[in-house]
Amino acid sequence: GAGVSQSPSNKVTEKGKDVELRCDPISGHTALYWYRQSLGQGLEFLIYFQGNSAPDKSGLPSDRFSAERTGGSVSTLTIQRTQQEDSAVYLCASSFSLDPAVYNYGYTFGSGTRLTVV
Amino acid sequence: TQLLEQSPQFLSIQEGENLTVYCNSSSVFSSLQWYRQEPGEGPVLLVTVVTGGEVKKLKRLTFQFGDARKDSSLHITAAQTGDTGLYLCAGADLTSYGKLTFGQGTILTVHP
Repeated sequence: GAGVSQSPSNKVTEKGKDVELRCDPISGHTALYWYRQSLGQGLEFLIYFQGNSAPDKSGLPSDRFSAERTGGSVSTLTIQRTQQEDSAVYLCASSFSLDPAVYNYGYTFGSGTRLTVV
Repeated sequence: TQLLEQSPQFLSIQEGENLTVYCNSSSVFSSLQWYRQEPGEGPVLLVTVVTGGEVKKLKRLTFQFGDARKDSSLHITAAQTGDTGLYLCAGADLTSYGKLTFGQGTILTVHP
């Protein structure tokens, strides 16, 4: 597709359940990022993948969060034993390069997955 | 931890007025980006500034990167109702380019 695709667009889950959020980046984009946006808060970095390099996981808030990227394309963010504080919009983005300034393309974001933990 | 302070948090103006949004930090960034976000959508990139002192113009929008690459501003001339939205600045980490630090955002409402 022409843009970054995320699914599902909305997810309501019960506290304690596991959830998987999916991101399809733009074809050819080597870098993929996950951010979280809570109401009243800015975007919070979670993790990024660049090619075959080890991902930067420094933003993951706890060991309940994990992400993988298969075949250098699709990525899945998994949250285990969800808590109410996990409720947020999870945004995925992709880019040609790790440093947008190099190619001046910047990041292209998907529309996000709104996660509600009840 | 890098922080980007964005101000003002809310801005409500009449069509035709000018406005400026500021982004300030004590940290140096390799580049700084400005995004605009509408409800239910992801942020959309407006511009990337890289060089200290750089000024970029995009129609009625003027973006400036501070000389020390710690701050930036977005100036809109003759605002239109279509400019309404959430504006976000984001700084790229010097050592880890993939990690963006976002400001809290400015909610701009332009009234007809």
